[in-house]
Amino acid sequence: GAGVSQSPRYKVAKRGQDVALRCDPISGHVSLFWYQQALGQGPEFLTYFQNEAQLDKSGLPSDRFFAERPEGSVSTLKIQRTQQEDSAVYLCASSLTGDSYEQYFGPGTRLTVT
Amino acid sequence: AQTVTQSQPEMSVQEAETVTLSCTYDTSESDYYLFWYKQPPSRQMILVIRQEAYKQQNATENRFSVNFQKAAKSFSLKISDSQLGDAAMYFCAYKMNYGGATNKLIFGTGTLLAVQP
Repeated sequence: GAGVSQSPRYKVAKRGQDVALRCDPISGHVSLFWYQQALGQGPEFLTYFQNEAQLDKSGLPSDRFFAERPEGSVSTLKIQRTQQEDSAVYLCASSLTGDSYEQYFGPGTRLTVT
Repeated sequence: AQTVTQSQPEMSVQEAETVTLSCTYDTSESDYYLFWYKQPPSRQMILVIRQEAYKQQNATENRFSVNFQKAAKSFSLKISDSQLGDAAMYFCAYKMNYGGATNKLIFGTGTLLAVQP
């Protein structure tokens, strides 16, 4: 079956532009996570959804970051007025339930802000 | 707050040899999971092995095994009979086993493993 997919795989944005990153989780997976991975670092948690409810957004670095999952499946991470420090790989992961130990990761979107 | 530390930025191993990657963590919780993830250059993060904190027996998955020392908060990964396909970045990760609002993974900074033919 299909795994987690993300689009686009690469995105170049000029400083100040808005970007939208898409995540398609595994069908039927209740939980969805967004992580940010800076170059040479481990992923860092951004936000967590259970179905359409955003239960934790404590990792979002500023109010320029916004995530949604309106129908409990596809999720979009939006970054407004991008800054150079937003350059990173954005990883999406899904799990079957909220208590599942395993998260399945997508290939990520590499965002470069010039 | 929970933290995960990987003190080896890079490691190298000869093909068919054994290598051990180190990880320490800090938590005040007693019930949690620990994981090793592999991230090849393609970036797709793959779960290698997991350990439940309440289990004393070390987890094993084929050539991969862990040495879990709960009191010392240490969780190392041993790769036996290393293969060229094992070359990747390896991340140690922690997750609380708690039915609360978040089930996020907390990652270390990673160890880049090179396998020499």
